[in-house]
Amino acid sequence: GQQLNQSPQSMFIQEGEDVSMNCTSSSIFNTWLWYKQDPGEGPVLLIALYKAGELTSNGRLTAQFGITRKDSFLNISASIPSDVGIYFCAGGGMDSNYQLIWGAGTKLIIKP
Amino acid sequence: DAMVIQNPRYQVTQFGKPVTLSCSQTLNHNVMYWYQQKSSQAPKLLFHYYDKDFNNEADTPDNFQSRRPNTSFCFLDIRSPGLGDAAMYLCATSRGGAGSNQPQHFGDGTRLSIL
Repeated sequence: GQQLNQSPQSMFIQEGEDVSMNCTSSSIFNTWLWYKQDPGEGPVLLIALYKAGELTSNGRLTAQFGITRKDSFLNISASIPSDVGIYFCAGGGMDSNYQLIWGAGTKLIIKP
Repeated sequence: DAMVIQNPRYQVTQFGKPVTLSCSQTLNHNVMYWYQQKSSQAPKLLFHYYDKDFNNEADTPDNFQSRRPNTSFCFLDIRSPGLGDAAMYLCATSRGGAGSNQPQHFGDGTRLSIL
C-alpha cells in the first residue's frame, strides 16, 4: 500500500536552531499537509500545499511541495520551546479518495 | 470560533461495556472522520461520512460503529471494548469537493481507557 517515509524520527535541538524535516513517497499526491500535535491534543494544521513546487510560509515555518509531487519538507527557523511536539506530514487528494496517508511523525525535543 | 468539539475529553469504561464518543462541528463541513491514535503513532482512519454516505475502512473491526444524525454531529460507538481499544480517538472534518484537496481539521480527541 501507499506509505510516507518521514525523517528524522526525532530531533534534539537547542533553542534558536533551525529545524528541517521531510517526507518522501513512491506515490504521487495532489495535496501535502503538515500537522503539529501536542501531548493530549489533536493535530493542528500548520501548512497545506496544493501545487507541485509550491513554497509556503506560516510565520517561522516554511514548507515546499516537491516538483515530482512525491515529497515535501518543513523547515522551522529559530526554534522556541513551544515548537516541541510531534510533526506529521500527510499526503492526500488521490483519485477523489478522502483518505490521508500519514508519515510516522517527527518528535521535536528542545535540549535544556 | 468555528471548530471541532469532542466530548468527553477523557472516558473510562469497563471491558465489554458499550461506550459512545461524540463529535460536533461548527465548520459546516460535509465530511466527518473518526480516527484511532495510539502512543505517538500516526492517526489511523476508522471510517468517514461524506454527507450521509458512510465509508468504512476495510480493516476497521466490526466492534466499531458510527452514526451521523445531522451535518453537525457524529458519534463513535464501541460495542464491546477490549483492552486493545484503549487509545485516543480523534474526530476530523473537511469540506468535500472535486479532487478532495481540502485539509482535515481535528478536534482535541477523547482519550479512552478500559478497566
